[in-house]
Amino acid sequence: GAVVSQHPSRVICKSGTSVKIECRSLDFQATTMFWYRQFPKQSLMLMATSNEGSKATYEQGVEKDKFLINHASLTLSTLTVTSAHPEDSSFYICSAVSYGYTFGSGTRLTVV
Amino acid sequence: AQTVTQSQPEMSVQEAETVTLSCTYDTSESDYYLFWYKQPPSRQMILVIRQEAYKQQNATENRFSVNFQKAAKSFSLKISDSQLGDAAMYFCAYKDIRDDKIIFGKGTRLHILP
Repeated sequence: GAVVSQHPSRVICKSGTSVKIECRSLDFQATTMFWYRQFPKQSLMLMATSNEGSKATYEQGVEKDKFLINHASLTLSTLTVTSAHPEDSSFYICSAVSYGYTFGSGTRLTVV
Repeated sequence: AQTVTQSQPEMSVQEAETVTLSCTYDTSESDYYLFWYKQPPSRQMILVIRQEAYKQQNATENRFSVNFQKAAKSFSLKISDSQLGDAAMYFCAYKDIRDDKIIFGKGTRLHILP
């Protein structure tokens, strides 16, 4: 079946630095990918829709300059958290649209 | 705007028993998809079951079945013969046929009692 690989699974970074999270479809092409944020014991909050070859579409309230999304190929979307702050600490999940929806395994970001 | 409501933040069931998780949704569309996703402690999202709104027959996947009531906008998940591995967060989700976005409910944490 369809597999989405997300890396890294865990990352710790210092305040003010940037961190990149990769979401890769391994055996299918994904023209659309989604990025979610999940706080502890809460639901998935859609941050943005990543479209191959075009600009991402951000949900209301999501800072596009802080959360940079690049979807440069049909198999790779990246989320870069820029100038990270402790409040950006969270669990980030990507998903890709194929026949259905396939989710990555998530990235736990801790900003210290 | 479409919304998905899960009114049970937590539930518990004895192993081997049956449990039903509730979900209601609001939409003005007539054609859409509904899903139940499972998120175990690993936090990997796993599709449990999917229902197309145009199908009257309730979807079934082994021990998992749904009760889809379109007029009532209700989409409950029944887990039969509960197993310890069923312990997880369960999210009900909605997708419009015109959009790729999925809207998630807030989730129900299911505990399985041995």
